[in-house]
Amino acid sequence: EIVLTQSPGTLSLSPGERATLSCRASQSVSSSYLAWYQQKPGQAPRLLISGASSRATGLPDRFSGSGSGTDFTLTISRLEPEDLAVYYCQQYGSSPWTFGQGTKLEI
Amino acid sequence: EVQLVQSGAEVKKPGESLKISCKGSGYSFTSYWIGWVRQMPGKGLEWMGIIYPGDSDTRYSPSFQGQVTISADKSISTAYLQWSSLKASDTAIYYCARGWPFDFWGQGTLVTVSS
Repeated sequence: EIVLTQSPGTLSLSPGERATLSCRASQSVSSSYLAWYQQKPGQAPRLLISGASSRATGLPDRFSGSGSGTDFTLTISRLEPEDLAVYYCQQYGSSPWTFGQGTKLEI
Repeated sequence: EVQLVQSGAEVKKPGESLKISCKGSGYSFTSYWIGWVRQMPGKGLEWMGIIYPGDSDTRYSPSFQGQVTISADKSISTAYLQWSSLKASDTAIYYCARGWPFDFWGQGTLVTVSS
């Protein structure tokens, strides 16, 4: 089973700043099958990024994903108050799919 | 419009059985994987398993294998998650989600197991 470790656990930033969220895998994620999700309080998760770097339909270009192998990054430039959420990475290249433990973003 | 609509909240006692549902609409139900994700109170997301309604191919996380059953009825575009004997530790929100990865999510079903 691939273990995903996200850092930091909590990130506190101000509007307009840049957020950098990390996701490290215990072994290589095949074909960059790495996704990022956003979960706002009281809501279901929402897909942001798939294939490590492909934005979901309608997602602002403030959100970008990068990385390969075992190291992946979600970057949110120009933070807005509505970006307050927990962000999860997930690998879907080998069963069982696994999620990271989440990074809480405080604005 | 793609929608996944889940059944309502449940309150059960330990040892009882339960089956919750997830009805897909707005797309070809048999052409996309449907998965289930657990979120215990105040905790993160846990992948439970997935099913391909087209041929009922089902994969489970080792953590949930034998603890739950995932099924689907393609005639009514509905996926299911069921327990034969609930435990207090099954108290959680359960989400269904479509695809590989999960591009659309249901609203979640809160399951509370308490004596």
